Amino acid sequence: GAGVSQSPSNKVTEKGKDVELRCDPISGHTALYWYRQSLGQGLEFLIYFQGNSAPDKSGLPSDRFSAERTGGSVSTLTIQRTQQEDSAVYLCASSSLRQGRTEAFFGQGTRLTVV
Amino acid sequence: QQPVQSPQAVILREGEDAVINCSSSKALYSVHWYRQKHGEAPVFLMILLKGGEQKGHEKISASFNEKKQQSSLYLTASQLSYSGTYFCGTVISSGSARQLTFGSGTQLTVLP
Repeated sequence: GAGVSQSPSNKVTEKGKDVELRCDPISGHTALYWYRQSLGQGLEFLIYFQGNSAPDKSGLPSDRFSAERTGGSVSTLTIQRTQQEDSAVYLCASSSLRQGRTEAFFGQGTRLTVV
Repeated sequence: QQPVQSPQAVILREGEDAVINCSSSKALYSVHWYRQKHGEAPVFLMILLKGGEQKGHEKISASFNEKKQQSSLYLTASQLSYSGTYFCGTVISSGSARQLTFGSGTQLTVLP
């Protein structure tokens, strides 16, 4: 696609429900990142994929969070038993990060509100 | 591994200059700079690779001191459109994984 696409753009869910967030990266981009941004805060790293594998999952806040990437393309971030503190904008970025030369392009994010 | 940015916030008058710093405790392969306007996704400004290079974009330039593991973003003769939150992202030199980690951001406000 022309850019990184995330869906849904907005999600309101009840506490305790599971949610699934989707990211369609730019075609051919091997690196894919998930970040979380709370209101007025910086970008909190969650997880990074190189191809389908995730070399670093250390940013995932708890075991309620998981992510996968299939076919070196689409990625889904799943949050189980959502809590109010999970409310944030979840941003996905992709890049063809070779030797650190290539910029990352961000999607518009999914605004998650847990009520 | 998160880089440290300073200052946290800057308020300028149009036409004034500003410097935003980014430092890391790890050896850096590259530094990225992004600007995010309220309610929008971050937008790429520039990448600096190790080797101490300096780059420019409009009246915004940056330097990268590999030895000090630091980068600075220079905004000269600031314009109203420069307002936003600036993030530095660092790629550390560790194995084959090139993870991009962002600092907490510097909020820049340019007043008329």
